[in-house]
Amino acid sequence: ETGVTQSPTHLIKTRGQQVTLRCSSQSGHNTVSWYQQALGQGPQFIFQYYREEENGRGNFPPRFSGLQFPNYSSELNVNALELDDSALYLCASSLLQARDTGELFFGEGSRLTVL
Amino acid sequence: TQLLEQSPQFLSIQEGENLTVYCNSSSVFSSLQWYRQEPGEGPVLLVTVVTGGEVKKLKRLTFQFGDARKDSSLHITAAQPGDTGLYLCRQGGSEKLVFGKGTKLTVNP
Repeated sequence: ETGVTQSPTHLIKTRGQQVTLRCSSQSGHNTVSWYQQALGQGPQFIFQYYREEENGRGNFPPRFSGLQFPNYSSELNVNALELDDSALYLCASSLLQARDTGELFFGEGSRLTVL
Repeated sequence: TQLLEQSPQFLSIQEGENLTVYCNSSSVFSSLQWYRQEPGEGPVLLVTVVTGGEVKKLKRLTFQFGDARKDSSLHITAAQPGDTGLYLCRQGGSEKLVFGKGTKLTVNP
């Protein structure tokens, strides 16, 4: 067990709705990264937060947004949901100082289904 | 953004067989990591390789980093059903934190 917890584990939304996913990082970690993983694919980087600021972003539209709180926990918000947003959303915590070789500690993910 | 190509995409073998999976890029890695993801769980780090030509062993798993640091391989000896999972490589030193698409390994009893 990594100590990274995500909620909810599963949820179903309809097209056009909004969703908020939550992540508690491992104790001592200052960085949280979010990934989208479609079925049978590798994780796609959404963005990373360090000390409450966005610190890098992948090729995702602005309707994907996030927050990091002073305790380093984080939220991922997705507005105007589309069918293609159906995926497993993974949160990973790490130490930014070790980003070259440091380990990412993943939660078990939030499985989002958009109908 | 660098692309990481993993091959094969799918691999189904019998218990006791050996196998090798690959991770390749046209660009040089500063470091590379291998993760394994089991169904319903997040990826878990297996190893990090940093130096060109480096070989690391983890029980029945052998990881190699190419001399030019553009490719890596993972070899499993005498595969077991517990090795079943999605094997992912990830480049280090990049803001985009790129993962490959993975090799889905199934080891049948």
